[in-house]
Amino acid sequence: TQLLEQSPQFLSIQEGENLTVYCNSSSVFSSLQWYRQEPGEGPVLLVTVVTGGEVKKLKRLTFQFGDARKDSSLHITAAQPGDTGLYLCAGAKAAGNKLTFGGGTRVLVKP
Amino acid sequence: DAGVTQSPTHLIKTRGQHVTLRCSPISGHKSVSWYQQVLGQGPQFIFQYYEKEERGRGNFPDRFSARQFPNYSSELNVNALLLGDSALYLCASSLGPTENTEAFFGQGTRLTVV
Repeated sequence: TQLLEQSPQFLSIQEGENLTVYCNSSSVFSSLQWYRQEPGEGPVLLVTVVTGGEVKKLKRLTFQFGDARKDSSLHITAAQPGDTGLYLCAGAKAAGNKLTFGGGTRVLVKP
Repeated sequence: DAGVTQSPTHLIKTRGQHVTLRCSPISGHKSVSWYQQVLGQGPQFIFQYYEKEERGRGNFPDRFSARQFPNYSSELNVNALLLGDSALYLCASSLGPTENTEAFFGQGTRLTVV
């Protein structure tokens, strides 16, 4: 049973379009991290959100943590081919605790 | 600054063999965690070590073991390899269990069991 559900599993869009990836759970997390992973590589940390309702922006990427700290979303504006990759959300129940990962969302941005 | 380094990058083993994977954390980080990522899935937690002690264990059989050394580097050992052990094994480095949870990953070791 996946504690963190990501949707959609796969997303294919044209360059310039917007996209949103969702990460949902019935559990509360003390923090949630978003990673991007390219084939054959390890996940690269994009952002950590800690406070319920928190919104963080990283250039064209906007991350939101739900008020109840059970869900999160990643929105990409004007996607570029370089945004192609596997996006993973990961939650921690306590500081320094193990990360529970979602199944990932594979994003393909076509030029 | 060197990031998390893992060795080897690729490995092919036969069923029943044993394998040792190695990880060096980011300088100053005292906690190392191991994850298994099967193709098409998100990483699954295997172990967490801090100050040479096991701080957490995931739902993996006893064939999996690990240890952490005084210099905070770590080894993951898997005995009696099965075909299903084929995966990308990831090492994550963090400051420590009482610090924030940001974890930084190495490039992984791709293990293929034939």
